[in-house]
Amino acid sequence: EAGVAQSPRYKIIEKRQSVAFWCNPISGHATLYWYQQILGQGPKLLIQFQNNGVVDDSQLPKDRFSAERLKGVDSTLKIQPAKLEDSAVYLCASGSNNSPLHFGNGTRLTVT
Amino acid sequence: AQRVTQPEKLLSVFKGAPVELKCNYSYSGSPELFWYVQYSRQRLQLLLRHISRESIKGFTADLNKGETSFHLKKPFAQEEDSAMYYCALKRAGQNAGGTSYGKLTFGQGTILTVHP
Repeated sequence: EAGVAQSPRYKIIEKRQSVAFWCNPISGHATLYWYQQILGQGPKLLIQFQNNGVVDDSQLPKDRFSAERLKGVDSTLKIQPAKLEDSAVYLCASGSNNSPLHFGNGTRLTVT
Repeated sequence: AQRVTQPEKLLSVFKGAPVELKCNYSYSGSPELFWYVQYSRQRLQLLLRHISRESIKGFTADLNKGETSFHLKKPFAQEEDSAMYYCALKRAGQNAGGTSYGKLTFGQGTILTVHP
C-alpha cells in the first residue's frame, strides 16, 4: 500500500511569515494526526481528526496554528505567523481501528 | 495524564553485545505500549507492540505493569540496529468514535549506536 505522503519535505521561512503543510493519508484511514517533533524530543500530538471532524486539538496553539481536513481525506496544517520556536519536523500519521499508526516522512520547518 | 520516560538519550554497544533500551510510563489506566524506530533518512515506523507478544528483528519487549516498564531488548546487537528508538503509549480500549482514539504519547527517544 502507498504510504502517508507529506509535502514539502523542507521549508525555510522568516519569523512572522506563514506556512502550510500538506498530508495525504493512507487510503481508507479514517484517523489522521499531526505531530510536532522539536529537535531532541519525541513527537508531540498537535491535532487528531476522525474523518473530517476534530477529535483532539488540546495541544494545538490555536492563536497561530490551524488545521483542516475538509473532505475527510487530505489535510493541511498552517502556521500564521511563525515564531522561531516553531522550528521542528511536522509529522503526519494515519490509522484505522486497531491498526498501528503509519507516519509520513515529515516536513522539516526552519524559522529564521 | 500519561507520560513516557526514556532515561537514556544515547546508548552505545558493540556488535554482538546485548542491548536494552529502557522505557517507563505513568498512566492510571490500562495502556498499550509500542516501540517505534527511525533509521537514518527513513520515516518513523512501528517496531513492535506489547499486545502482539512477538519478536521483530530479534527485539522483544515485555510489559511489566508492576514496574510500569516496557524495556526493549535484543541479545545480540547488529550494526543495522543503529537508529533512534521511541517508546510510545496509547490508552487501551478506545473505540473509533471515542475521544483521542489512537493518540500516542511518545518518550524523548534513545539513539542506539552499534559499533563494529
